[in-house]
Amino acid sequence: DTGVSQNPRHKITKRGQNVTFRCDPISEHNRLYWYRQTLGQGPEFLTYFQNEAQLEKSRLLSDRFSAERPKGSFSTLEIQRTEQGDSAMYLCASSPGQIPNTEAFFGQGTRLTVV
Amino acid sequence: AQSVTQPDIHITVSEGASLELRCNYSYGATPYLFWYVQSPGQGLQLLLKYFSGDTLVQGIKGFEAEFKRSQSSFNLRKPSVHWSDAAEYFCAVGSFSGGYNKLIFGAGTRLAVHP
Repeated sequence: DTGVSQNPRHKITKRGQNVTFRCDPISEHNRLYWYRQTLGQGPEFLTYFQNEAQLEKSRLLSDRFSAERPKGSFSTLEIQRTEQGDSAMYLCASSPGQIPNTEAFFGQGTRLTVV
Repeated sequence: AQSVTQPDIHITVSEGASLELRCNYSYGATPYLFWYVQSPGQGLQLLLKYFSGDTLVQGIKGFEAEFKRSQSSFNLRKPSVHWSDAAEYFCAVGSFSGGYNKLIFGAGTRLAVHP
């Protein structure tokens, strides 16, 4: 079984560098979500895809952030010109249909540290 | 705007003792409510959810939660805690907009279990 897979699990980068994270959702899940979790906080919604269409972007997602989901399969989240405030856990989730009729399954996350 | 408040940041209980984790929500309509658990190094796992019907909801791992509309609460309970229940617990509400639901999380409650 392959749950939601996220790579890399950890990333340390210098301020100003670009980073890209990948999320492989559960097969045939057409809905995909990105969240960000900082220390001591719950996950905060970043963006949502239904198939390949990005339907919503949170205002938390500045112009330095971009997400894609080509062909409605895996998704990537890129952060350009990273800042120390970008340090967080980035979580990906997928679901086969509408919440709450179906369950959102979360990956283990990518922990980003900007030094 | 929809929001979730978890008043207790940390809770410590003895193994075998009962547990109640508090959750209050703010939402205009009938809410969809969820409890997730996050163990170290693991993704978020759904414990239970409420979206209609019986206000007492049974979940996995022996957990239950009760929806109380008059108190805007959805508290999580377990009659006898096991050491393996030590983790962080997140309450969430489904926020509907743009034709779909996304999850809005509280800040979480970290549970420690003493032997």
